[in-house]
Amino acid sequence: AQSVAQPEDQVNVAEGNPLTVKCTYSVSGNPYLFWYVQYPNRGLQFLLKYITGDNLVKGSYGFEAEFNKSQTSFHLKKPSALVSDSALYFCAVRDPTVGSSNTGKLIFGQGTTLQVKP
Amino acid sequence: EAGVTQSPTHLIKTRGQQATLRCSPISGHTSVYWYQQALGLGLQFLLWYDEGEERNRGNFPPRFSGRQFPNYSSELNVNALELEDSALYLCASSFGGTGTLRRTYEQYFGPGTRLTVT
Repeated sequence: AQSVAQPEDQVNVAEGNPLTVKCTYSVSGNPYLFWYVQYPNRGLQFLLKYITGDNLVKGSYGFEAEFNKSQTSFHLKKPSALVSDSALYFCAVRDPTVGSSNTGKLIFGQGTTLQVKP
Repeated sequence: EAGVTQSPTHLIKTRGQQATLRCSPISGHTSVYWYQQALGLGLQFLLWYDEGEERNRGNFPPRFSGRQFPNYSSELNVNALELEDSALYLCASSFGGTGTLRRTYEQYFGPGTRLTVT
């Protein structure tokens, strides 16, 4: 079965330090991977995606993610954390196609709460 | 560019009643997705509509249904409400197409409707 795992419920970093939020996946075929962020009482905001190409993907608000096929990982990173980055982060993978058809479904990890302290 | 909009923001219903949630996609998007975000269960895929047709549904009972209108807006109906239906219901949109040659794959989310069943 296709799945996404975010092994850490919470990540704590000091403002100005680099941050990493981990994600591993299990999917048949080529993975299409995404990161989203959710602020309290808000919907999900798209940060970045990996479809194909360079393993280092750059996204919104200074975030980037590194795709590692051998380790089946797609970790989210930022060189210098801000207090305003504190939020809930979700990794997601597109459910593989059935035949030649797209299923439309994203499979989400359980989410990681990022706490950035001043 | 206006984002995905959802109404109402909050909805309080009694067990056994019906709830109707509405979603307007980003202009130019023809696909609409519904997800349920319940405490402890994470984000679960509910339904996908594209070009007015239901293309896929998640593992939810038939009392969860919906439709997509000619202007691509969508409605989610939940009949015979149960206490465990209390959740944040998120709508997302994207460029459409059921095949594999789609322009983009990321989904853009609205702020959600908080449904409380008492």
